[in-house]
Amino acid sequence: DGGITQSPKYLFRKEGQNVTLSCEQNLNHDAMYWYRQDPGQGLRLIYYSQIVNDFQKGDIAEGYSVSREKKESFPLTVTSAQKNPTAFYLCASTPTGLVPGNEQFFGPGTRLTVL
Amino acid sequence: EDQVTQSPEALRLQEGESSSLNCSYTVSGLRGLFWYRQDPGKGPEFLFTLYSAGEEKEKERLKATLTKKESFLHITAPKPEDSATYLCAVQAPMNRDDKIIFGKGTRLHILP
Repeated sequence: DGGITQSPKYLFRKEGQNVTLSCEQNLNHDAMYWYRQDPGQGLRLIYYSQIVNDFQKGDIAEGYSVSREKKESFPLTVTSAQKNPTAFYLCASTPTGLVPGNEQFFGPGTRLTVL
Repeated sequence: EDQVTQSPEALRLQEGESSSLNCSYTVSGLRGLFWYRQDPGKGPEFLFTLYSAGEEKEKERLKATLTKKESFLHITAPKPEDSATYLCAVQAPMNRDDKIIFGKGTRLHILP
């Protein structure tokens, strides 16, 4: 079955540590996205990538970094510079970028908690 | 400023009690409006895409409609398994790329 996988499902981090969230897709989609979801808030875009070896900052990129070395993979690193990293992180993909009507497919999410 | 506002924030209905969720938007050049369903602790699941005013789409007990300023998600004779958060998102042009703006969602609870 094709889909998006995120790991781990739950992640605990101590203050001052960097952590990397995994996102893998086998849908053969070109574009991938990272969102952050906080209680009572809409999804906010962190980074997106429309093609391998290229990515752009979203609305809240500060304190985060990404790489896109393979079409299937788009890992997100939450650095110690992110002041409030506790949140639910969602990875998504679309076949060919945000052309009209290109709905996003989402992974199951990773809940990050800073201790 | 482009915005997406969903109302109500939360809605409790009895099983079988039909109702509607609202998504109002202020964007220039709407290229698509999406509805998603999200269960607690899970990723959003795609429901519908609407492109132009007057368009309607249906899936089981759900029907989505679109006007020039808002979209409605109508739920007919809901069942407890329809309980979830329903998210609305709009797609609009932004420089060389499109942007997607999500609303905060409506939490729907169907009582048996």
